[in-house]
Amino acid sequence: NAGVTQTPKFRILKIGQSMTLQCAQDMNHNYMYWYRQDPGMGLKLIYYSVGAGITDKGEVPNGYNVSRSTTEDFPLRLELAAPSQTSVYFCASSYTGISNQPQHFGDGTRLSIL
Amino acid sequence: ELKVEQNPLFLSMQEGKNYTIYCNYSTTSDRLYWYRQDPGKSLESLFVLLSNGAVKQEGRLMASLDTKARLSTLHITAAVHDLSATYFCAVATGNQFYFGTGTSLTVIP
Repeated sequence: NAGVTQTPKFRILKIGQSMTLQCAQDMNHNYMYWYRQDPGMGLKLIYYSVGAGITDKGEVPNGYNVSRSTTEDFPLRLELAAPSQTSVYFCASSYTGISNQPQHFGDGTRLSIL
Repeated sequence: ELKVEQNPLFLSMQEGKNYTIYCNYSTTSDRLYWYRQDPGKSLESLFVLLSNGAVKQEGRLMASLDTKARLSTLHITAAVHDLSATYFCAVATGNQFYFGTGTSLTVIP
């Protein structure tokens, strides 16, 4: 059972480049989330989705975009990479957002912008 | 914006000892989570606490929630080396999640 799969695991970008972080889950979860974790800090919510076609902003959405065309996939897009976006990005999913179900996290994408 | 504070931020304890990690949050919340993260790894769910007075236990870890005080605790009993990790609490309101900065726990033989 793969769970939540994130690709790539590592990436180095130049300032101003763009890229898409991929996230896929095979648990038929409705809710999906993107977080960033800066060194020595907790996670901050970037965007979330409660189902295909529905997305909403989290605490730190600036500089990012998301889409949710299928239940399984929730890609995160960086359009103009900035050094402040150097971080570890985690994707998570859960069956429903308001229940006793925890979030299941992927292994993360470590992104450096130079 | 909901604020979540954990303390201590760093904790070094001897094997066999007991200790408590505290998680305070600033406004009303629907539910509270505890996660464990090993260095360079992803987050592993430990507990989900939904109501005032909720208590959950798994092995040497026990979590509790006091919604009136806006406080959750993670109690460690008779610590062992395998518990060394960073522990995060996260507070949810609606679909928004707010994480504490984490408690880095080192258990010394």
